[in-house]
Amino acid sequence: GNSVTQMEGPVTLSEEAFLTINCTYTATGYPSLFWYVQYPGEGLQLLLKATKADDKGSNKGFEATYRKETTSFHLEKGSVQVSDSAVYFCALSDDGANSKLTFGKGITLSVRP
Amino acid sequence: DGGITQSPKYLFRKEGQNVTLSCEQNLNHDAMYWYRQDPGQGLRLIYYSQIVNDFQKGDIAEGYSVSREKKESFPLTVTSAQKNPTAFYLCASSIGGGGSRDTQYFGPGTRLTVL
Repeated sequence: GNSVTQMEGPVTLSEEAFLTINCTYTATGYPSLFWYVQYPGEGLQLLLKATKADDKGSNKGFEATYRKETTSFHLEKGSVQVSDSAVYFCALSDDGANSKLTFGKGITLSVRP
Repeated sequence: DGGITQSPKYLFRKEGQNVTLSCEQNLNHDAMYWYRQDPGQGLRLIYYSQIVNDFQKGDIAEGYSVSREKKESFPLTVTSAQKNPTAFYLCASSIGGGGSRDTQYFGPGTRLTVL
């Protein structure tokens, strides 16, 4: 079956540091890949997505590239801010009839001033 | 403003009582989903519905029930048969129609605590 593996957390960075959060996946067919962000006490917000190999999703300074050869979708940001402190989830959607999402366990990012 | 609303934000119930969580969307989406979130476990799918009057079990449906009588509404009932109901519950919706490009959008969640 499908699965998503995220690096272990939590991650603590200083403001303006470079961020990488690793995500790898196992899936059959042609999945789409997503990053969602969850701020404290809130629901999930779509951060970015990529629907085919070599696509790059980007939003709010975050980027991730769909790498089929390494089955990865790592999230990066060049300079994090305190406001980026949140939980980040990597997810994939299979290409079947039901578009079910499979989530990683999430990773908590804390950015200190 | 289009979006997904869940109410209430916090819900407390005594053990053995059934409780219904509300989810409404005005995005004209066909598909709706319920997830449960527990600390350190990510999100797990409870039930989903691709169209009105139809729904399917997800990965952890035991102890839960749903209905889909209207396109915009997908209430979730947590029954007394659910062994460990205290959790954060998230509703989502998408355009539907299948395929990997269908993107799910989430509501703000309801935190249920069973005392």
